Amino acid sequence: QVQLVQSGAEVKNPGSSVKVSCKASGGTFSSYTFSWVRQAPGHGLEWMGKIIPIFDIANYAQKFQGRLTINADKSTTTAYMELNSLRSEDTAVYYCARTRRGMTDIFGPWGQGTLVTVSS
Amino acid sequence: DIQMTQSPSSLSASVGDGVTITCQASQDIRNFVNWYQQKPGKAPKLLIYDASKLETGVPSRFSGSGSETHFALTINSLQPEDIATYYCQQYATLPTFGPGTIVDIK
Repeated sequence: QVQLVQSGAEVKNPGSSVKVSCKASGGTFSSYTFSWVRQAPGHGLEWMGKIIPIFDIANYAQKFQGRLTINADKSTTTAYMELNSLRSEDTAVYYCARTRRGMTDIFGPWGQGTLVTVSS
Repeated sequence: DIQMTQSPSSLSASVGDGVTITCQASQDIRNFVNWYQQKPGKAPKLLIYDASKLETGVPSRFSGSGSETHFALTINSLQPEDIATYYCQQYATLPTFGPGTIVDIK
């Protein structure tokens, strides 16, 4: 049974950084890609970027270029998302999601979500 | 970026009704569309992939159709447990989601 378990809620000051982890169990880690999707309170889903562990390549939505880093540790089967220069608009639940099969962006298993609150 | 629009933004229907949500892409995306269901406080759940393929374990009252720029999700005989927000998502290019459709019971 595939399971994605994310790190706990964070409260951050504006201008700081946050790093969220996503530990995958079940399945072969490098056979899939891992995306990060966020959801601001009362809003819809926003794809941020993904990591392709087998190639160690990340792709980012243009909106987050330069502020977002996604990587993965194959030895611990964990994906990471780090967002810098936080502002209040970054307050959201952040989800990791794994592809259903291979590297096609069909999101099968999802993590439970991590609430990041940006507030002074 | 490919933009996805959905309609309606919300709907209310009776138990047993048929319900259809539409999704339009800003350019031809062939059949590279998925549909997700999200209940309050929960992560999204994959319902339909590749426009019309039912994910394992999803009830057969859910179906998807469409190609190129116009797509639809149909719930055949709405059930109380179907109260949720539904999102389409394209993956012809870097993924983008539609704005969502809230489904409620009348």
